[in-house]
Amino acid sequence: ETGVTQTPRHLVMGMTNKKSLKCEQHLGHNAMYWYKQSAKKPLELMFVYNFKEQTENNSVPSRFSPECPNSSHLFLHLHTLQPEDSALYLCASSQGQYQETQYFGPGTRLLVL
Amino acid sequence: AQSVAQPEDQVNVAEGNPLTVKCTYSVSGNPYLFWYVQYPNRGLQFLLKYITGDNLVKGSYGFEAEFNKSQTSFHLKKPSALVSDSALYFCAVRTLDNYGQNFVFGPGTRLSVLP
Repeated sequence: ETGVTQTPRHLVMGMTNKKSLKCEQHLGHNAMYWYKQSAKKPLELMFVYNFKEQTENNSVPSRFSPECPNSSHLFLHLHTLQPEDSALYLCASSQGQYQETQYFGPGTRLLVL
Repeated sequence: AQSVAQPEDQVNVAEGNPLTVKCTYSVSGNPYLFWYVQYPNRGLQFLLKYITGDNLVKGSYGFEAEFNKSQTSFHLKKPSALVSDSALYFCAVRTLDNYGQNFVFGPGTRLSVLP
């Protein structure tokens, strides 16, 4: 699990707050992903970056804003979230986009009040 | 559209008994199939994958899975369950079709191994 790290591990925020989730991978991979895991729902792919370029945005609301400054770092900026956005947010990376096994971070558990 | 089904929300098995966690898929094209495990308060961990070749795939921690193209299934198995195998298991499929690449997870199956 130390290959992909995420901070913070837990976050509580109000609906008017702005916060950011950080993901870092130490595996030399070129692709990174954000997933949302809600209770009793399948894992939802949010964003995909390949070589720092966003290649997929699965109809995610604009209150979620990703940033990938380099192949090792991925951020998810949060602004004016809703209580239904409370979930576990997982970051993953892979050598190539989709073509190889994805390695997941431990996740950030987000609670929006 | 691609989809992955895990028909059982929960599987209970006694320690030492064989276990099976079921997965079926619906894709257009040749699937790449994966199994992941998630322990409490942890991210997903890769167990095994099928890309091509032998239909029986062996993975981490003694798990294996059998790809059955005619039944579009990729069930996860282990000959002898351990209490430490208790976790949430996800099946996933990657496909490439006319709309591009797609990576879809199943809803997950919670495995409880009873001592």
